[in-house]
Amino acid sequence: QVQLVQSGAEVKKPGASVKVSCKASGYTFTSYGISWVRQAPGQGLEWMGWISAYNGNTNYAQKLQGRVTMTTDTSTSTAYMELRSLRSDDTAVYYCARVTAMVPFGYWGQGTLVTVSS
Amino acid sequence: DIQMTQSPSTLSASVGDRVTITCRASQSISSWLAWYQQKPGKAPKLLIYKASSLESGVPSRFSGSGSGTEFTLTISSLQPDDFATYYCQQYNSFWTFGQGTKVEIK
Repeated sequence: QVQLVQSGAEVKKPGASVKVSCKASGYTFTSYGISWVRQAPGQGLEWMGWISAYNGNTNYAQKLQGRVTMTTDTSTSTAYMELRSLRSDDTAVYYCARVTAMVPFGYWGQGTLVTVSS
Repeated sequence: DIQMTQSPSTLSASVGDRVTITCRASQSISSWLAWYQQKPGKAPKLLIYKASSLESGVPSRFSGSGSGTEFTLTISSLQPDDFATYYCQQYNSFWTFGQGTKVEIK
């Protein structure tokens, strides 16, 4: 069965960086893309970006351009999302999700809470 | 960027009610629309894709309709497990979520 398992919760200081991982299993990793979505406390869902696990192509949300980098390691079927220059309003649960052209976000990771606090 | 607007933001309903949530896109997205259900502390769950296709395992009381810029999610008979927040999402051009509709107990 398809599973996306994310790394554990993180606490970071303002200005620091965080790298969240998303390990995929149960399917051919390079046949799908991975998107990252975040949700601030009590707020809605915000799409952050997408990476093709096939060729590493990426698209990032405009508001995060320059601060976010998404990568994959096909040898371990793992996707990564790094966010730099953290601010307090980056405090959120970060999710990865498997993407196809026809069926979006059919499978999600369990979420990773990132808290940014001095 | 394509903007997605849901209405209402909150909906109070009783078990057995027919519930309809509306989602409008700022430009035509054909049928590239999905609906998700999210419960507190959990990841969203895909309910509907391509505007009206029911995801495997999702109860048939959920249905979606629409194309272009206006879409609806209908729950034909609200069940206790359906009290949650619902999000629409366009995937015509990258991905954008609506702001969510919370379905609460009346």
